[in-house]
Amino acid sequence: GAVVSQHPSWVICKSGTSVKIECRSLDFQATTMFWYRQFPKQSLMLMATSNEGSKATYEQGVEKDKFLINHASLTLSTLTVTSAHPEDSSFYICSALHGGSEKLFFGSGTQLSVL
Amino acid sequence: KQEVTQIPAALSVPEGENLVLNCSFTDSAIYNLQWFRQDPGKGLTSLLLIQSSQREQTSGRLNASLDKSSGRSTLYIAASQPGDSATYLCAGSFSSGSARQLTFGSGTQLTVLP
Repeated sequence: GAVVSQHPSWVICKSGTSVKIECRSLDFQATTMFWYRQFPKQSLMLMATSNEGSKATYEQGVEKDKFLINHASLTLSTLTVTSAHPEDSSFYICSALHGGSEKLFFGSGTQLSVL
Repeated sequence: KQEVTQIPAALSVPEGENLVLNCSFTDSAIYNLQWFRQDPGKGLTSLLLIQSSQREQTSGRLNASLDKSSGRSTLYIAASQPGDSATYLCAGSFSSGSARQLTFGSGTQLTVLP
């Protein structure tokens, strides 16, 4: 099946720093990718839809200047958490839409801990 | 705004038992419903996808059903094994959002005791 690689799998950073998370579709091209966050024992909440070559669409309540999304190629989308604070600590997961099958494939997630 | 609810939040069963996980949704205009498995600290693995025109899907020991009129889906796991222990999430695509966007339930954490 299709593979989506997400990196890093975990990161610890100091408050005020920025963290970049990468999401790559390894064996297919993905014009659309999605970014979710998940708090402990809660469900996945969609943050934004990332479209290759255009601006991301953010869900209500998600700060676009806080969570920068870049989808510069058909196989890579990045999420940058800028000036991270402890409340940004969460599990972030990406998914990529396989155009041929219209199926979503998920990355393995990134656990972000902001000290 | 559509909502997806899963009950119970946690379930513990002895090995070998058959079990049912429940998922309900408020928007009957559903494109499809999926069941995922999530292991601790990991991403999601798709288990079954049911299109709105279908009533059920089967894969091995798993069977998922969809009843649009009642806004419910169930995931049936036969002859449970300790390796089935994980969190199971259901997610739907609805007409009120993009067909490609998923609304997730909060999950059911399953523990199968050896």
